[in-house]
Amino acid sequence: AQSVTQPDIHITVSEGASLELRCNYSYGATPYLFWYVQSPGQGLQLLLKYFSGDTLVQGIKGFEAEFKRSQSSFNLRKPSVHWSDAAEYFCAVGASGAAGNKLTFGGGTRVLVKP
Amino acid sequence: NAGVMQNPRHLVRRRGQEARLRCSPMKGHSHVYWYRQLPEEGLKFMVYLQKENIIDESGMPKERFSAEFPKEGPSILRIQQVVRGDSAAYFCASSPRQGTNTEAFFGQGTRLTVV
Repeated sequence: AQSVTQPDIHITVSEGASLELRCNYSYGATPYLFWYVQSPGQGLQLLLKYFSGDTLVQGIKGFEAEFKRSQSSFNLRKPSVHWSDAAEYFCAVGASGAAGNKLTFGGGTRVLVKP
Repeated sequence: NAGVMQNPRHLVRRRGQEARLRCSPMKGHSHVYWYRQLPEEGLKFMVYLQKENIIDESGMPKERFSAEFPKEGPSILRIQQVVRGDSAAYFCASSPRQGTNTEAFFGQGTRLTVV
C-alpha cells in the first residue's frame, strides 16, 4: 500500500527566506505526486504535480518540487517566502489504474511566516 | 466554469442525527472522490464514485456511512446516527476522467461538528 510521510509538522520561516518542505513516499510503481496548499478554513489548491518527464517541476506561486526516485522524495521549495505563504501544505501520491485519482496524503506541514 | 461546490460549508448536528453533505462536481466531470480530514490530520480517502456507480469504497467506515452519485444531481455523503468522532472536514474532489494523470479539483469542504 502506498504511503506519504511529511517529517516536519511545523516550520517557521522568516519572510524573504527560502523554504523547503520534505515529502517521502512509498509506492510500488511509478508514482504520481502532488503538492497542495490549504489556507485556514479553506479547501485544497494544487501547487504542482509530477506525472513523468522532467524531475524538476514548476508550480504556481513561485513553488517548485524535485522528484528523486532514488530517495523516494518529492520536496517542495520556494526561494523567497511571502507572508501569504503561511498555510498548511500537503504532499500526496496518486494510485494509477482503476483507482482513478484516489490520493494518499501526508499528514501535512504547517508553515508559519515571521515578519 | 464554477469549481467544485460543496454545501453546506458548516453543519452542526446533535449526536444521533443524520448528516447529509452535498457535492456538485465541476461541469463535465463525472468522477467524484470524498475525503475526510480529522482535526490536525491529513486527508483520508473515503470513496470514489462515477455516475450511478461506487467504484472504490475502501476508505468508508463499515457502518453509518453511505455515498451516492445519481445520474442527475449532486453527490451525497450521508452519515447516519452521527457521533462526536464524526466531527471533521469532509472534502469532495472531481475529475473529468479516470487516471492519475488528470488533476482532481477540490471543493472548499463541509465542516461537520457533532454536539
